[in-house]
Amino acid sequence: QQQVKQSPQSLIVQKGGISIINCAYENTAFDYFPWYQQFPGKGPALLIAIRPDVSEKKEGRFTISFNKSAKQFSLHIMDSQPGDSATYFCAASMGANAGNMLTFGGGTRLMVKP
Amino acid sequence: DAGVTQSPTHLIKTRGQHVTLRCSPISGHKSVSWYQQVLGQGPQFIFQYYEKEERGRGNFPDRFSARQFPNYSSELNVNALLLGDSALYLCASSLARATDTQYFGPGTRLTVL
Repeated sequence: QQQVKQSPQSLIVQKGGISIINCAYENTAFDYFPWYQQFPGKGPALLIAIRPDVSEKKEGRFTISFNKSAKQFSLHIMDSQPGDSATYFCAASMGANAGNMLTFGGGTRLMVKP
Repeated sequence: DAGVTQSPTHLIKTRGQHVTLRCSPISGHKSVSWYQQVLGQGPQFIFQYYEKEERGRGNFPDRFSARQFPNYSSELNVNALLLGDSALYLCASSLARATDTQYFGPGTRLTVL
């Protein structure tokens, strides 16, 4: 099963709060897990990515937590700002053997209220 | 450096017509992938091309085809358009086939009437 399931579909957070988006996968062959941010009318932009040999990765206000045994990973946005309002997609890839094909989750529309 | 560029930005076609979408990767990138993003959903993989050869194909009908040119730019062709082909078509480039990081262009919005 190639599917990546993402939740919630939409999220409203107050400015300064923590936004948490979760993803789950079935295929244990996935070995690369990126998160993309997409603004209306734009293509997805890579935010942060992680591999299964690491349980957490932090870049600025963005943190990925990875639970290999549960086959789940999540994105935490600390000190959320109105400018973070966008749609966020998790994705997974099996690397070069699968043509680096990215399998995306369904997306989470984040709104950060001022 | 310029990012991934795609043309045209928007396109309106009628059912049964053919469409060609174009993509120029980031300078130095040799791999191009195409994705279809239906409104409200995540992108779905269509093709990957590396060194002018198809290296991966998603679950799309044969009406979809693509090619990559010696300068690593790429075209996506869709024949016999259906209403369901209306979507944002995204092109992503990466340095090489085995490189994971993919950088997306702004997409081409295709509307089929």
